[in-house]
Amino acid sequence: QVQLQESGPGLAKPSETLSLTCTVSGGSLSSYYWSWIRQPPGKGLEWIGYIFYSGSTNYNPSLKSRLTISLDTSKDQFSLKLSSVTAADTAVYYCAREDGQGKIAYWGRGTLVSVSS
Amino acid sequence: DIQMTQSPSTLSASVGDRVTITCRASQSISTYLAWYQQKPGKAPKLLIYKASSLESGVPSRFSGSGSGTEFTLTISSLQPDDFATYYCQQYDSYRTFGQGTKVEVK
Repeated sequence: QVQLQESGPGLAKPSETLSLTCTVSGGSLSSYYWSWIRQPPGKGLEWIGYIFYSGSTNYNPSLKSRLTISLDTSKDQFSLKLSSVTAADTAVYYCAREDGQGKIAYWGRGTLVSVSS
Repeated sequence: DIQMTQSPSTLSASVGDRVTITCRASQSISTYLAWYQQKPGKAPKLLIYKASSLESGVPSRFSGSGSGTEFTLTISSLQPDDFATYYCQQYDSYRTFGQGTKVEVK
């Protein structure tokens, strides 16, 4: 059974970089799109972006200038870096796996990141 | 960018009711649409993909239909476990979620 687990600091300071890692177990990174999705407290879901196992990326245009998603196949991990954060970036951040049919069937449990000084 | 608009935002219903949620895309997305269910404090759960394909393990009371710009999610007979928030999501160009529909107890 595929499992995903987010990890990283729960607090980031304004103007700094938010960094999260997702560790994948129970399955290979090959042939899938590894995604980040976030949800501000009490609000809806926002797609952040994904990295394909080949290394190609696709980012939400509204976040693209601040966003980097990378893959470490040796550790079965992928990571998110979001720079110049503000309070508007406070959210639960989910990592997830999307397949070639657009199905996001596997999700991490989510981790809350608060942006505050 | 493709915008997704769900209606209603909140729906009050009783166990046994037939429930329909609508999702409209700002431009045609063919059938590149998925539906998710989310309960408080939990990650979303995939229900439907490709507009009308039922994900494995999802009860058959859930069904999806539509193509182009108009889509619906139907719960044929609402069960106690179905009170939750539902999101549509397009995957034709980038990915965009609807704002969500909360199904609450009437």
